[in-house]
Amino acid sequence: AQRVTQPEKLLSVFKGAPVELKCNYSYSGSPELFWYVQYSRQRLQLLLRHISRESIKGFTADLNKGETSFHLKKPFAQEEDSAMYYCALRSYGQNFVFGPGTRLSVLP
Amino acid sequence: ETGVTQSPTHLIKTRGQQVTLRCSSQSGHNTVSWYQQALGQGPQFIFQYYREEENGRGNFPPRFSGLQFPNYSSELNVNALELDDSALYLCASSPSRQGWHGYTFGSGTRLTVV
Repeated sequence: AQRVTQPEKLLSVFKGAPVELKCNYSYSGSPELFWYVQYSRQRLQLLLRHISRESIKGFTADLNKGETSFHLKKPFAQEEDSAMYYCALRSYGQNFVFGPGTRLSVLP
Repeated sequence: ETGVTQSPTHLIKTRGQQVTLRCSSQSGHNTVSWYQQALGQGPQFIFQYYREEENGRGNFPPRFSGLQFPNYSSELNVNALELDDSALYLCASSPSRQGWHGYTFGSGTRLTVV
């Protein structure tokens, strides 16, 4: 069965500090991994997807198939990064399986 | 280009009643998915419609049903409401069935069952 875990419900860091939001998944095939973000009072929106290998708003994420992880990283957190972050998995032709989410709070 | 719009934004229903939630997909999108997001949890997939046919379903009972119309808008119907059905219901649309071009989410309908 497909499953996504995000071990931290809440992560607090100071502005300028590095951020790592953890995501682990279980899936036997070749999944597609995503990070979605939800800012306060806004809708869920795509942050990045692993096949794009891009950096959005300074965030990057590397798919580690050996550790079945897709951790989200940013070297220097900004206050505007405070939001709810969801890791999601999708296999071919299937729909998203979302993790429970991690609330990132960037303190001034 | 308009995004995904959902109506109503909030709704209160009594246990045992039926409810219909509506979603207008983004222009050019022919695929609509519905998700249930309970408080403190990530969204859970309910089902997906592609060109008016259901083409995927999550682990939800049959009292959760849906429709997609020729203009690709969609409805989610829930019969015999239970207290545990209280959640945010999200609609997402995509220009392709496989979703390779990504999904656009609506703001959701918050359903409270009392």
